[in-house]
Amino acid sequence: DTAVSQTPKYLVTQMGNDKSIKCEQNLGHDTMYWYKQDSKKFLKIMFSYNNKELIINETVPNRFSPKSPDKAHLNLHINSLELGDSAVYFCASSPGAGVTNTEAFFGQGTRLTVV
Amino acid sequence: AQSVTQLDSQVPVFEEAPVELRCNYSSSVSVYLFWYVQYPNQGLQLLLKYLSGSTLVESINGFEAEFNKSQTSFHLRKPSVHISDTAEYFCAVTPAGGYNKLIFGAGTRLAVHP
Repeated sequence: DTAVSQTPKYLVTQMGNDKSIKCEQNLGHDTMYWYKQDSKKFLKIMFSYNNKELIINETVPNRFSPKSPDKAHLNLHINSLELGDSAVYFCASSPGAGVTNTEAFFGQGTRLTVV
Repeated sequence: AQSVTQLDSQVPVFEEAPVELRCNYSSSVSVYLFWYVQYPNQGLQLLLKYLSGSTLVESINGFEAEFNKSQTSFHLRKPSVHISDTAEYFCAVTPAGGYNKLIFGAGTRLAVHP
């Protein structure tokens, strides 16, 4: 079973469209994350939720809206897509804060291409 | 705030040669340190981590990294590389004991040639 799964794996869409990426983890973790990897492979955190509560919100355009219906799911909705949103988006999860929080598990990524 | 510098963007090496991928970090608080590997068109996999204790940590596939607090470094080494080690390697830090907000370096592309 895949620990952290994202759908879709590839997403090609036109500028101005709205799209969503879904993420699910079956590890029983409390904390989930979205990271963005740009064309130069640089990885940067976007958001983090702990038990459905937003705990990290980096400087991200408000066109990006994460939603966590339960602690096993963290979806990312993007409005009015722009060319610069093209990137690989990674979902990750970890046990939570404190000494138990020693490793983040990543999904396979969603390659978003805006044309 | 934390930052991570990976000193080499690309490291070409011949098969069976030793390799070192360099990583330096900056932080005003204690951190945990990680090396992640990304194979082509795949997600990130944890290679090894330093939390506390012995400053030398090892992975199951022959990589090792040494935490050097005075030099704020966490360099990754392997005594003999294989073609299959060709990948992008990312050094990352997170504040110790907090949520796992990983701060990544820019990555080092390891290219192993026959």
